[in-house]
Amino acid sequence: QVHLVESGGGVVQPGRSLRLSCAASGFTFTSYAMHWVRQAPGKGLDWVAGTSYDGSYEYYADSVKGRFTISRDNSKNTLYLQMNSLRVEDTAVYYCARYWSPAVTAEVYFDYWGQGTLVTVSS
Amino acid sequence: QSVLTQPPSASGTPGQRVTISCSGSSSNIGSNYVYWYQQLPGTAPKLLIYRNNQRPSGVPDRFSGSKSGTSASLAISGLRSEDEADYYCAVWDDSLSGVVFGGGTKLTVL
Repeated sequence: QVHLVESGGGVVQPGRSLRLSCAASGFTFTSYAMHWVRQAPGKGLDWVAGTSYDGSYEYYADSVKGRFTISRDNSKNTLYLQMNSLRVEDTAVYYCARYWSPAVTAEVYFDYWGQGTLVTVSS
Repeated sequence: QSVLTQPPSASGTPGQRVTISCSGSSSNIGSNYVYWYQQLPGTAPKLLIYRNNQRPSGVPDRFSGSKSGTSASLAISGLRSEDEADYYCAVWDDSLSGVVFGGGTKLTVL
């Protein structure tokens, strides 16, 4: 069955960088777009970024544009989120989510989610 | 401040019907499909309703969605204790070229 396992979270100081990974299994990774969604402690869901099946298209929330980069290595069935210039407000559980189609379209169909990895930005 | 507006809380007794609203604008709900996600305590979100009113396989027909203009609603009939969760509406926003979520509604089953 479909498995998404995030890793790479931890405690980091403001201004530093961190890279998250999402290992996918149980499906043909190259057939699906993928996204990152985060949730600050005790807060709601907040979409971060999405990428098409081949990584050729990327979409970002305004709050992370220019600081975060989403990418994927289809040979390793892995999705990444490179986070630079981290801020205290980036503290959250970061989920990777499988999108229903290969391309990112005007829909919000996330059919599988990982369990999340916690990123804490603090001095 | 979320682009989509939901009531922060809702409640009902077992067996009742409750509705959760989601208000947006012409650039999101007014022009795209609405989705609803359920998040049980301590777990990842789960897709509950897609394309305004469609249920994925395995979601009970007690859950239903609707959309009118720039607003949408999630209805839960025959309320059960296991429905106690946070519920989020979500939609693609054409102006932002990205996904927007509502602030979430915490449903309490009394």
